[in-house]
Parts: sequence; C-alpha cells; structure tokens
Amino acid sequence: AQSVAQPEDQVNVAEGNPLTVKCTYSVSGNPYLFWYVQYPNRGLQFLLKYITGDNLVKGSYGFEAEFNKSQTSFHLKKPSALVSDSALYFCAVRALDNYGQNFVFGPGTRLSVLP
Amino acid sequence: DADVTQTPRNRITKTGKRIMLECSQTKGHDRMYWYRQDPGLGLRLIYYSFDVKDINKGEISDGYSVSRQAQAKFSLSLESAIPNQTALYFCATSDSRGLPYNEQFFGPGTRLTVL
Repeated sequence: AQSVAQPEDQVNVAEGNPLTVKCTYSVSGNPYLFWYVQYPNRGLQFLLKYITGDNLVKGSYGFEAEFNKSQTSFHLKKPSALVSDSALYFCAVRALDNYGQNFVFGPGTRLSVLP
Repeated sequence: DADVTQTPRNRITKTGKRIMLECSQTKGHDRMYWYRQDPGLGLRLIYYSFDVKDINKGEISDGYSVSRQAQAKFSLSLESAIPNQTALYFCATSDSRGLPYNEQFFGPGTRLTVL
C-alpha cells in the first residue's frame, strides 16, 4: 500500500532562516509527489510537484523540494522563511491503489515562522 | 481556488438528519473528488468521479453517497448524519488531459458539525 509520512507535526523557524518540512513516502512503482499548502479557512493550494527529471523542483512563493529516490524523501525547503509562510503543509503522492490513480496525503505539518 | 466552489461553507446539524454538500467547478476538469480532513489525519478520500458516468468509492465511503449531476457538479450526501462525521470537507478537481498526473484544485471547504 502507498503511504506518506510527515514526521513532524510542527516546525518552528525564525523569519529569515531557512526552513525544511520533511516528507517520506512508500509507493509501488514510480512516485509522483506533490506539496500543498493550506492557509486558515482556505482550501489546499498546490505548491509544486515532482513527476520526472531534475531532482530539485522549484515551485510557488520561493519554495523548492528535493526528490531523493534512495531515501524515499521529498522534503520541502525555502532559503529564507517569511511570517506569511505560516500554514499547514501537506505532502501527497499520486499512486496506483485500490482507489485508482489517486492521491494519498500525509497528515500535515504545521509551520510557524516567528518574527 | 475560486474556480471550485462549495456550499454551504458552514453547517450545524443534528444526528440522524440528511445533509447534502455541493461542489461546482468552472475549470472544465473531468475528475472530481470529495475528501474529509480531520486534525492529524490529513485528507482522506471519500468518493471520486473520473467522469459523469464513473463514480467510485474511496477510502472512507461508508455513511456517504455522491451524485455527479454534470461534469461541473459533484454533491456529497450524508444520509443519516452522526457525530463522528463532524469534519472539514473538501471538494477537489483535476484534469486527466495533458500530463499524466496533474495536480488537484481544491474548494474552500465546508465545516460540518453534527450534534
């Protein structure tokens, strides 16, 4: 079965410092990996995805993520955090499972950027 | 994403009542999904539809039913609501054309409370 783990419920970082939000996955076959962000009282917004090719993927709002096949990880990063980055972040994998080619989401990581 | 709308945004109901949540999209996407979000559990798939005549159960379909009235409309029903269906419900869409694994676009969510 496919699964996504986000080992940290909460990540705190000071404004201006680099941030990392971790994600590891387990799938059969090629992984297609996604990051979404959820701001308060809003739906999820797409940030970036890895389908194939370059292991470093750049996305919206200055975020990037690095795909590491050997470690089955897809960590989200940003060189300099902003207070406005504070939100709930979800990693997701697109997988073949009993429910078709659908997304499996991690439990989410709450990022707090402190001024 | 304003192209995916959900009604109502908030609903409080009593145990045993029938509830319908509605989703409409103007993105022209063929695929639509219903998820529920619970703290610490991420998003779990309830039902999905790859086109008007194709409806499939997701991970947690018990107690729910859906109707795809048109390509742009996908409604979720709780036939007899129970308190553990209290959650945040999201509708999402995706496009099967083009890249094999396009990202999803989410509505703003419906907060449902069952007393």
